[in-house]
Amino acid sequence: KAGVTQTPRYLIKTRGQQVTLSCSPISGHRSVSWYQQTPGQGLQFLFEYFSETQRNKGNFPGRFSGRQFSNSRSEMNVSTLELGDSALYLCASSLEGRPYTGELFFGEGSRLTVL
Amino acid sequence: AQTVTQSQPEMSVQEAETVTLSCTYDTSESDYYLFWYKQPPSRQMILVIRQEAYKQQNATENRFSVNFQKAAKSFSLKISDSQLGDAAMYFCAYVREGAQKLVFGQGTRLTINP
Repeated sequence: KAGVTQTPRYLIKTRGQQVTLSCSPISGHRSVSWYQQTPGQGLQFLFEYFSETQRNKGNFPGRFSGRQFSNSRSEMNVSTLELGDSALYLCASSLEGRPYTGELFFGEGSRLTVL
Repeated sequence: AQTVTQSQPEMSVQEAETVTLSCTYDTSESDYYLFWYKQPPSRQMILVIRQEAYKQQNATENRFSVNFQKAAKSFSLKISDSQLGDAAMYFCAYVREGAQKLVFGQGTRLTINP
């Protein structure tokens, strides 16, 4: 079974631009979460989608948005990029159901550099 | 709000020796899960070990074991017979029962010396 796939793996943008990152979860996983990883702030939760609905949202400005499609694939978008948005963006999927495990399966991440 | 604290930014150990990584957490919930995730350099994060809060028995996975002290809200990871492939960032994480949002510690960078 294929793992979580994130594209692109690396990208460079300039301030003010926007970026869209894509995530394909493990087959059968319907929950997709996004995390931002930076050296200073560590891993911070962005949002989580389940069945095309955002169920949870972290403390990030409205420039950060996401969506989930009917096939569970998810995208996140960051508009009006700032230097501080440079980070590794991790996508994780999980299998809903019982017994509940809470375990997330992570992709390799998309490393965004904002110049 | 729940918080997770890893007080050791970096640790190093000689190959084949044992090392313990520390983690404390704060929550008012009674049902939750704790995890140790491993993130090798430029590699994806993978689950090392999981502990259910309702279980008194400490989880073990081969060379990896935890010391779960619920009253003290402590969750340390012990790696026995350290191997070069164990070198990575290790993150302690918490999730409330039924939730999908993991709260991570700041991580501990583990170096294995040959």
